[in-house]
Amino acid sequence: QVQLVQSGAEVKKPGASVKVSCKASGYTFTSYGISWVRQAPGQGLEWMGWISAYNGNTNYAQKLQGRVTMTTDTSTSTAYMELRSLRSDDTAVYYCARDGNSPTQPRLIDYWGQGTLVTVSS
Amino acid sequence: DIQMTQSPSTLSASVGDRVTITCRASQSISSWLAWYQQKPGKAPKLLIYKASSLESGVPSRFSGSGSGTEFTLTISSLQPDDFATYYCQQYNSYWRTFGQGTKVEIK
Repeated sequence: QVQLVQSGAEVKKPGASVKVSCKASGYTFTSYGISWVRQAPGQGLEWMGWISAYNGNTNYAQKLQGRVTMTTDTSTSTAYMELRSLRSDDTAVYYCARDGNSPTQPRLIDYWGQGTLVTVSS
Repeated sequence: DIQMTQSPSTLSASVGDRVTITCRASQSISSWLAWYQQKPGKAPKLLIYKASSLESGVPSRFSGSGSGTEFTLTISSLQPDDFATYYCQQYNSYWRTFGQGTKVEIK
């Protein structure tokens, strides 16, 4: 069965960086992409970006361009999301999710990780 | 970015009620719309994709319809397990966007 297992909760100071991991199993990692979605406390879902696990191509949400980097390690079927210059409003649960991989067709998010709470506080 | 607007934001209903949630896109997204269910402290779960296709394992009381800019999620007979928050999401564009969510509460 498809599983996405994320790293544990983090507490960071403003201005620091955080890197969250997402280990995939139960499917062929390079046949799909990974999207990252975050959810601030009591708020809705915000799509952050996508990476192809096949070739490393990325699409990032415009508001995070320059602060976020998504990578994959195909040898361990693990995706990573790094967010820099953290602010208090980056406090959220961060989810990885399996996504499509097509460069031409719409991509569907189907399976989700359990979420990683990142708290930014001085 | 394509904006997604859900209504209502909150819905109070009883077990057995028929429930309908609406999602509107700021421009046509064809049928590239998904619906997710989220319970407190849990990750979202895919219910419906391509506007009306039921994800495997999802009860048949859930259905979706619409195309272009107007979409609906219907729960034909609300069950205790269905009290949750529901989100629509467009995937017509590579830059995905979610609706703000509809919380279904016990009346």
